[in-house]
Amino acid sequence: GEDVEQSLFLSVREGDSSVINCTYTDSSSTYLYWYKQEPGAGLQLLTYIFSNMDMKQDQRLTVLLNKKDKHLSLRIADTQTGDSAIYFCAPERGREGSQGNLIFGKGTKLSVKP
Amino acid sequence: GAVVSQHPSWVICKSGTSVKIECRSLDFQATTMFWYRQFPKQSLMLMATSNEGSKATYEQGVEKDKFLINHASLTLSTLTVTSAHPEDSSFYICSAVPLAGDTDTQYFGPGTRLTVL
Repeated sequence: GEDVEQSLFLSVREGDSSVINCTYTDSSSTYLYWYKQEPGAGLQLLTYIFSNMDMKQDQRLTVLLNKKDKHLSLRIADTQTGDSAIYFCAPERGREGSQGNLIFGKGTKLSVKP
Repeated sequence: GAVVSQHPSWVICKSGTSVKIECRSLDFQATTMFWYRQFPKQSLMLMATSNEGSKATYEQGVEKDKFLINHASLTLSTLTVTSAHPEDSSFYICSAVPLAGDTDTQYFGPGTRLTVL
Protein backbone atom coordinates (compact mmCIF):
# COMPACT_ATOMS: atom_id res chain seq x y z
CA GLY A 1 0.00 0.00 0.00
CA GLU A 2 0.91 3.64 0.07
CA ASP A 3 3.65 4.49 2.51
CA VAL A 4 5.91 7.35 3.54
CA GLU A 5 9.16 6.79 5.40
CA GLN A 6 11.19 9.33 7.34
CA SER A 7 13.96 9.15 9.88
CA LEU A 8 12.48 9.75 13.30
CA PHE A 9 15.22 11.96 14.70
CA LEU A 10 17.78 14.51 13.51
CA SER A 11 20.10 16.55 15.67
CA VAL A 12 22.15 19.48 14.36
CA ARG A 13 24.08 22.43 15.75
CA GLU A 14 22.80 25.95 15.39
CA GLY A 15 24.03 27.50 12.17
CA ASP A 16 24.49 24.18 10.38
CA SER A 17 22.26 22.94 7.58
CA SER A 18 19.60 20.34 8.29
CA VAL A 19 18.49 17.82 5.71
CA ILE A 20 15.35 15.82 6.33
CA ASN A 21 14.76 12.95 3.94
CA CYS A 22 11.59 11.18 2.92
CA THR A 23 10.79 8.26 0.65
CA TYR A 24 7.32 7.47 -0.62
CA THR A 25 5.65 4.81 -2.68
CA ASP A 26 2.85 6.58 -4.57
CA SER A 27 4.48 7.51 -7.87
CA SER A 28 1.42 9.44 -9.03
CA SER A 29 1.57 12.11 -6.30
CA THR A 30 1.00 15.50 -7.89
CA TYR A 31 1.92 17.74 -4.98
CA LEU A 32 4.28 16.88 -2.15
CA TYR A 33 4.13 18.87 1.07
CA TRP A 34 6.29 19.55 4.06
CA TYR A 35 4.59 20.41 7.34
CA LYS A 36 6.07 21.59 10.61
CA GLN A 37 4.69 20.87 14.03
CA GLU A 38 5.97 22.81 16.99
CA PRO A 39 5.42 21.42 20.51
CA GLY A 40 1.78 21.48 21.50
CA ALA A 41 0.71 23.11 18.23
CA GLY A 42 -1.07 21.94 15.11
CA LEU A 43 0.57 21.40 11.77
CA GLN A 44 1.83 24.35 9.77
CA LEU A 45 2.43 24.14 6.04
CA LEU A 46 6.06 24.96 5.30
CA THR A 47 6.31 24.47 1.60
CA TYR A 48 5.31 22.18 -1.23
CA ILE A 49 6.64 21.10 -4.58
CA PHE A 50 4.82 20.18 -7.75
CA SER A 51 5.75 16.81 -9.17
CA ASN A 52 7.18 18.22 -12.41
CA MET A 53 9.83 20.16 -10.48
CA ASP A 54 13.19 18.92 -9.25
CA MET A 55 13.88 21.71 -6.82
CA LYS A 56 12.13 24.55 -5.09
CA GLN A 57 13.80 27.18 -2.96
CA ASP A 58 12.04 29.43 -0.49
CA GLN A 59 14.36 31.56 1.65
CA ARG A 60 16.16 29.13 3.98
CA LEU A 61 14.20 26.14 2.72
CA THR A 62 15.17 24.01 -0.27
CA VAL A 63 13.05 21.08 -1.41
CA LEU A 64 14.56 18.46 -3.69
CA LEU A 65 12.45 15.90 -5.50
CA ASN A 66 13.74 12.77 -7.20
CA LYS A 67 10.68 11.25 -8.82
CA LYS A 68 12.54 8.27 -10.19
CA ASP A 69 13.68 7.22 -6.72
CA LYS A 70 10.54 8.61 -5.04
CA HIS A 71 12.72 10.62 -2.71
CA LEU A 72 11.92 14.01 -1.25
CA SER A 73 14.16 16.11 0.96
CA LEU A 74 13.90 19.33 2.89
CA ARG A 75 17.02 21.33 3.54
CA ILE A 76 17.02 24.09 6.14
CA ALA A 77 19.97 26.43 5.83
CA ASP A 78 21.46 28.17 8.87
CA THR A 79 19.30 26.15 11.25
CA GLN A 80 18.13 28.06 14.30
CA THR A 81 16.89 26.87 17.68
CA GLY A 82 13.43 28.03 16.63
CA ASP A 83 13.50 25.41 13.90
CA SER A 84 13.32 22.66 16.52
CA ALA A 85 10.10 20.84 15.72
CA ILE A 86 8.71 17.75 14.06
CA TYR A 87 8.69 17.84 10.27
CA PHE A 88 6.20 15.82 8.26
CA CYS A 89 6.57 14.73 4.67
CA ALA A 90 3.14 14.44 3.03
CA PRO A 91 2.77 13.45 -0.59
CA GLU A 92 -0.65 13.83 -2.07
CA ARG A 93 -2.41 10.63 -3.07
CA GLY A 94 -2.42 10.51 -6.81
CA ARG A 95 -5.64 8.59 -7.39
CA GLU A 96 -8.20 10.34 -9.53
CA GLY A 97 -10.65 12.26 -7.42
CA SER A 98 -8.45 12.26 -4.38
CA GLN A 99 -6.87 15.68 -4.75
CA GLY A 100 -5.98 16.99 -1.33
CA ASN A 101 -5.80 13.55 0.21
CA LEU A 102 -2.43 13.35 1.90
CA ILE A 103 -0.28 10.48 3.08
CA PHE A 104 1.72 11.44 6.14
CA GLY A 105 5.05 10.13 7.29
CA LYS A 106 5.62 9.69 11.02
CA GLY A 107 7.60 12.88 11.17
CA THR A 108 11.23 13.71 11.85
CA LYS A 109 11.99 15.34 15.16
CA LEU A 110 14.63 18.01 14.58
CA SER A 111 16.65 19.08 17.60
CA VAL A 112 18.87 22.12 17.25
CA LYS A 113 21.65 22.51 19.77
CA PRO A 114 23.10 25.92 20.55
CA GLY B 1 1.23 -0.97 13.98
CA ALA B 2 -0.16 2.46 14.94
CA VAL B 3 -2.91 2.59 12.37
CA VAL B 4 -5.63 5.20 12.38
CA SER B 5 -8.73 4.73 10.28
CA GLN B 6 -11.48 7.14 9.29
CA HIS B 7 -14.95 6.34 8.15
CA PRO B 8 -16.32 7.18 5.73
CA SER B 9 -13.48 8.01 3.33
CA TRP B 10 -15.80 10.21 1.34
CA VAL B 11 -19.37 11.40 1.75
CA ILE B 12 -21.81 13.50 -0.23
CA CYS B 13 -24.75 15.01 1.57
CA LYS B 14 -27.50 17.54 1.05
CA SER B 15 -27.37 20.98 2.56
CA GLY B 16 -28.98 21.06 6.00
CA THR B 17 -28.21 17.48 6.93
CA SER B 18 -25.71 16.29 9.52
CA VAL B 19 -22.73 14.08 8.82
CA LYS B 20 -20.73 12.02 11.31
CA ILE B 21 -17.09 11.14 10.71
CA GLU B 22 -15.38 8.49 12.81
CA CYS B 23 -11.72 8.35 13.72
CA ARG B 24 -10.42 5.12 15.19
CA SER B 25 -7.02 4.06 16.48
CA LEU B 26 -6.98 0.42 15.45
CA ASP B 27 -4.09 -1.04 17.42
CA PHE B 28 -3.35 1.46 20.16
CA GLN B 29 -5.12 3.58 22.70
CA ALA B 30 -5.12 7.33 22.36
CA THR B 31 -6.08 9.86 24.99
CA THR B 32 -5.70 12.70 22.53
CA MET B 33 -6.99 12.98 19.01
CA PHE B 34 -6.80 16.00 16.75
CA TRP B 35 -9.20 17.06 14.04
CA TYR B 36 -7.92 19.00 11.05
CA ARG B 37 -9.55 20.52 8.04
CA GLN B 38 -7.83 21.07 4.74
CA PHE B 39 -8.90 23.17 1.79
CA PRO B 40 -7.41 22.33 -1.61
CA LYS B 41 -3.74 23.26 -1.87
CA GLN B 42 -3.81 24.85 1.56
CA SER B 43 -2.37 23.82 4.83
CA LEU B 44 -4.14 21.72 7.38
CA MET B 45 -6.06 23.80 9.87
CA LEU B 46 -6.36 22.46 13.37
CA MET B 47 -10.01 22.52 14.35
CA ALA B 48 -10.00 20.98 17.78
CA THR B 49 -8.19 18.81 20.25
CA SER B 50 -10.20 15.90 21.55
CA ASN B 51 -9.40 14.28 24.87
CA GLU B 52 -11.04 11.07 26.00
CA GLY B 53 -13.67 11.65 28.61
CA SER B 54 -13.63 15.42 28.47
CA LYS B 55 -14.89 18.22 26.28
CA ALA B 56 -12.97 19.03 23.16
CA THR B 57 -10.88 22.17 22.96
CA TYR B 58 -11.74 24.18 19.86
CA GLU B 59 -9.44 26.52 18.01
CA GLN B 60 -10.41 30.14 17.63
CA GLY B 61 -12.92 30.63 14.87
CA VAL B 62 -14.21 27.06 14.90
CA GLU B 63 -17.88 26.81 15.84
CA LYS B 64 -18.24 24.15 18.48
CA ASP B 65 -22.00 23.87 17.97
CA LYS B 66 -21.47 23.20 14.30
CA PHE B 67 -18.60 20.77 14.61
CA LEU B 68 -19.52 18.43 17.45
CA ILE B 69 -16.71 16.28 18.73
CA ASN B 70 -17.17 13.27 20.94
CA HIS B 71 -14.26 11.21 22.27
CA ALA B 72 -16.15 8.41 23.94
CA SER B 73 -13.37 5.86 24.27
CA LEU B 74 -9.61 5.54 24.02
CA THR B 75 -9.93 4.34 20.43
CA LEU B 76 -12.73 6.40 18.96
CA SER B 77 -13.41 10.07 18.34
CA THR B 78 -16.25 11.36 16.18
CA LEU B 79 -16.75 14.65 14.41
CA THR B 80 -20.31 15.56 13.48
CA VAL B 81 -20.85 18.39 11.04
CA THR B 82 -24.32 19.66 11.89
CA SER B 83 -26.61 21.39 9.41
CA ALA B 84 -23.96 21.13 6.74
CA HIS B 85 -23.65 23.81 4.07
CA PRO B 86 -21.64 23.85 0.85
CA GLU B 87 -18.91 25.92 2.51
CA ASP B 88 -18.32 22.99 4.87
CA SER B 89 -17.17 20.92 1.91
CA SER B 90 -13.60 20.05 2.68
CA PHE B 91 -11.17 17.34 3.56
CA TYR B 92 -11.19 16.35 7.24
CA ILE B 93 -8.24 14.52 8.79
CA CYS B 94 -7.86 13.17 12.28
CA SER B 95 -4.74 12.15 14.11
CA ALA B 96 -4.19 10.22 17.32
CA VAL B 97 -1.44 10.33 19.92
CA PRO B 98 -0.64 7.03 21.65
CA LEU B 99 -1.35 6.75 25.34
CA ALA B 100 1.88 4.82 25.87
CA GLY B 101 5.09 4.30 23.97
CA ASP B 102 5.55 6.76 21.12
CA THR B 103 3.74 9.60 22.88
CA ASP B 104 5.46 12.31 20.82
CA THR B 105 4.00 11.05 17.58
CA GLN B 106 0.76 11.88 15.87
CA TYR B 107 -0.59 9.10 13.68
CA PHE B 108 -2.81 10.36 10.91
CA GLY B 109 -5.94 8.89 9.46
CA PRO B 110 -6.44 8.77 5.69
CA GLY B 111 -8.94 11.60 5.73
CA THR B 112 -12.59 12.05 4.83
CA ARG B 113 -13.71 14.11 1.87
CA LEU B 114 -17.03 15.82 2.55
CA THR B 115 -19.02 17.32 -0.29
CA VAL B 116 -22.17 19.23 0.60
CA LEU B 117 -24.59 19.83 -2.25
